[in-house]
Amino acid sequence: SQKIEQNSEALNIQEGKTATLTCNYTNYSPAYLQWYRQDPGRGPVFLLLIRENEKEKRKERLKVTFDTTLKQSLFHITASQPADSATYLCARTDSWGKFQFGAGTQVVVTP
Amino acid sequence: DGGITQSPKYLFRKEGQNVTLSCEQNLNHDAMYWYRQDPGQGLRLIYYSQIVNDFQKGDIAEGYSVSREKKESFPLTVTSAQKNPTAFYLCASSIGGGTYNEQFFGPGTRLTVL
Repeated sequence: SQKIEQNSEALNIQEGKTATLTCNYTNYSPAYLQWYRQDPGRGPVFLLLIRENEKEKRKERLKVTFDTTLKQSLFHITASQPADSATYLCARTDSWGKFQFGAGTQVVVTP
Repeated sequence: DGGITQSPKYLFRKEGQNVTLSCEQNLNHDAMYWYRQDPGQGLRLIYYSQIVNDFQKGDIAEGYSVSREKKESFPLTVTSAQKNPTAFYLCASSIGGGTYNEQFFGPGTRLTVL
């Protein structure tokens, strides 16, 4: 079966450091990967999309990479702040537009 | 303001009862989705619709039903056949059903079966 996997352990990080999250997928390589942020009790919010022919994408303090050989995407939060504490989800879609989300990785940034 | 709304925010239901969750969007999006999220777990797709009057089953459609009679509305009915309906339900929409379109999520409905 097709899987999209994220590290289930929470990532605890000190303010100012870089948080790095991984997203691994099996079987087919998606043309796009998306990253979302979810705060407790709320719906996810879209952050970034990266195409398979893009090695890297940046948005402010966020950076996403996409390695189709490793079947992996890395999500980086640089100069992390306590306000970055949340759960981060990766997602891919198949050719019919059906989304598949990972379980998410919780990030806790301490002052 | 454009957005996607879900109501109610909290819903309690007795076992054996059907219940309908509302989802409305004024973003003029073609595609709409329903997800279920359980504690510590990711989003699981229940149903999705890429156009009015058409919808497809997701990964966990058993015990649920939907309709898409209007572009802006995609209600979800949780039937008594759903064995474990207590969960957080999220509705989302996107411009189209393409693989590159981001999803916009509503605030969610937390359903508790008593």
